[in-house]
Amino acid sequence: QQQVKQSPQSLIVQKGGISIINCAYENTAFDYFPWYQQFPGKGPALLIAIRPDVSEKKEGRFTISFNKSAKQFSLHIMDSQPGDSATYFCAPFTGNQFYFGTGTSLTVIP
Amino acid sequence: EPEVTQTPSHQVTQMGQEVILRCVPISNHLYFYWYRQILGQKVEFLVSFYNNEISEKSEIFDDQFSVERPDGSNFTLKIRSTKLEDSAMYFCASLRDRGQDTQYFGPGTRLTVL
Repeated sequence: QQQVKQSPQSLIVQKGGISIINCAYENTAFDYFPWYQQFPGKGPALLIAIRPDVSEKKEGRFTISFNKSAKQFSLHIMDSQPGDSATYFCAPFTGNQFYFGTGTSLTVIP
Repeated sequence: EPEVTQTPSHQVTQMGQEVILRCVPISNHLYFYWYRQILGQKVEFLVSFYNNEISEKSEIFDDQFSVERPDGSNFTLKIRSTKLEDSAMYFCASLRDRGQDTQYFGPGTRLTVL
């Protein structure tokens, strides 16, 4: 049962560029939409999250855009840095569990 | 900053053996989770635990798996008879309450079944 579809699978961006990762979902019961960042050998760590009552949230270089009618949300990383190289997961939440996307491997080239 | 801890960091076992993975969630958290991640794949939900009982479990969490909070601080995942396909990273996570949705993950235990 695939409730969450994440794209692209991998992304290569030049330093200073914009990284965009998308997540599409099916379950309208999701009420919290986070993005997690995972470095090799580490557990996922919350990066930024949004609730469905707002369409955009910005924290520093990271922005979530949320489109409730399209059942999509995306992560934008502005001025991407080599230290942003990691795997990113969207993981919408129903109130009882997080449904992780398949992940996007981001590589930022210096 | 409080953190979730997990032990051991790496466990190697023979197929058919029992393993117990241990987690110490953040002390004032009420909801506890186990996830697994097969190498290079997505994070998969196994089970959630609240008020000393399982609140939800996935299809992966069959009769070979069990969870326990034996002493009010540790949260354990037991696999009774390990299979080769159980080889994965196992992450414990905890959540303070439903209204505070930041789920904190531990560093994981790498389980290798030979």
